[in-house]
Amino acid sequence: GAGVSQSPRYKVAKRGQDVALRCDPISGHVSLFWYQQALGQGPEFLTYFQNEAQLDKSGLPSDRFFAERPEGSVSTLKIQRTQQEDSAVYLCASSLGGGGDTQYFGPGTRLTVL
Amino acid sequence: GESVGLHLPTLSVQEGDNSIINCAYSNSASDYFIWYKQESGKGPQFIIDIRSNMDKRQGQRVTVLLNKTVKHLSLQIAATQPGDSAVYFCAESPHTDKLIFGTGTRLQVFP
Repeated sequence: GAGVSQSPRYKVAKRGQDVALRCDPISGHVSLFWYQQALGQGPEFLTYFQNEAQLDKSGLPSDRFFAERPEGSVSTLKIQRTQQEDSAVYLCASSLGGGGDTQYFGPGTRLTVL
Repeated sequence: GESVGLHLPTLSVQEGDNSIINCAYSNSASDYFIWYKQESGKGPQFIIDIRSNMDKRQGQRVTVLLNKTVKHLSLQIAATQPGDSAVYFCAESPHTDKLIFGTGTRLQVFP
């Protein structure tokens, strides 16, 4: 079956531009997660949704980062006024339920801020 | 494509040998542990998981061992194949839904 999909796969932005990254979770998965992966490091948690509710946004690095999942399916991660330090791979994962269900990851969006 | 883990610890093994990848986790409250495999340009791929009420779990060619006393996790891959070459991450979940990932280990398989 279809896995988690993300778009675009690659995004180049000039410093100061706004970007929007999209995640399509596995159909029927209740939970959705965003992670940030810097080059050479493991993914780091950004935020978590259960259906449309954002239950944890403790990992968002600044108020320039905003995520939404208005209908409990597709999610968008928005970064305003991008900075060079925002350059990373942004990974989306979904799980069937919550509380320790296996998280399945998408291919990621590689963001490069010039 | 992108490079995952440019400066990670590297384990080099010969094709057909067994591989053991180790991980030290940080939170004694963690009760769920997962191993992921990540190939260059791809997202992490689930390999195997284990909960804190178990010491060992086996899958197809893989075994995960958990030592809660010393907060250590290991992944054993039997009869390592070239397709196993990737970066391997352990992840822990301390009573929350988010995962905390370790640094990662690059596995290189040579003929």
